[in-house]
Amino acid sequence: KAGVTQTPRYLIKTRGQQVTLSCSPISGHRSVSWYQQTPGQGLQFLFEYFSETQRNKGNFPGRFSGRQFSNSRSEMNVSTLELGDSALYLCASSSDFPRSSYEQYFGPGTRLTVT
Amino acid sequence: EDKVVQSPLSLVVHEGDTVTLNCSYEVTNFRSLLWYKQEKKAPTFLFMLTSSGIEKKSGRLSSILDKKELSSILNITATQTGDSAIYLCAVEAYNQGGKLIFGQGTELSVKP
Repeated sequence: KAGVTQTPRYLIKTRGQQVTLSCSPISGHRSVSWYQQTPGQGLQFLFEYFSETQRNKGNFPGRFSGRQFSNSRSEMNVSTLELGDSALYLCASSSDFPRSSYEQYFGPGTRLTVT
Repeated sequence: EDKVVQSPLSLVVHEGDTVTLNCSYEVTNFRSLLWYKQEKKAPTFLFMLTSSGIEKKSGRLSSILDKKELSSILNITATQTGDSAIYLCAVEAYNQGGKLIFGQGTELSVKP
């Protein structure tokens, strides 16, 4: 089975711009979670989508948003980029079935640099 | 606020040593604890623990959960240089679909 894929792998943007990152989960997985990883804060949860619905959201400003499509692929968008948004953005997928099993498998990440 | 704390934050050992990494948590409605290994890329899944006192084992790695003490340990025996990585502990709570709360990680360096 192919793993979680993320595109692009690297991105450089300017303050004030917006960016869209994409994540394709493992085939058959319907849950996609997004995380931000920085040296200072570690891995922090952004949001999770299941069957095109956002089920949970972390403590990030409204500039961070996401969506999920019917094929379970997900995108996250960051508007009005700030220098502090520079980070590794990871997505993880899970089958969410059976519900008692919830291992999340991570993609390679998108390294975003804001200048 | 839900919290996961790992110790030590960093560790340097020599090949062949045995190491124990610690993870403690304060989480409402605890459901499971997960261990990941992160080298210079995405975290890779190691173990998921839900029941107290049951050891999970994979080769030289093993882990156990103590729900009474709200903690878990990850043991690595006969360490190799390839074990050098950041080891992350994460906790999941019921009714928090898809959200993992991560600790800061333990950076393990294994010297030849």
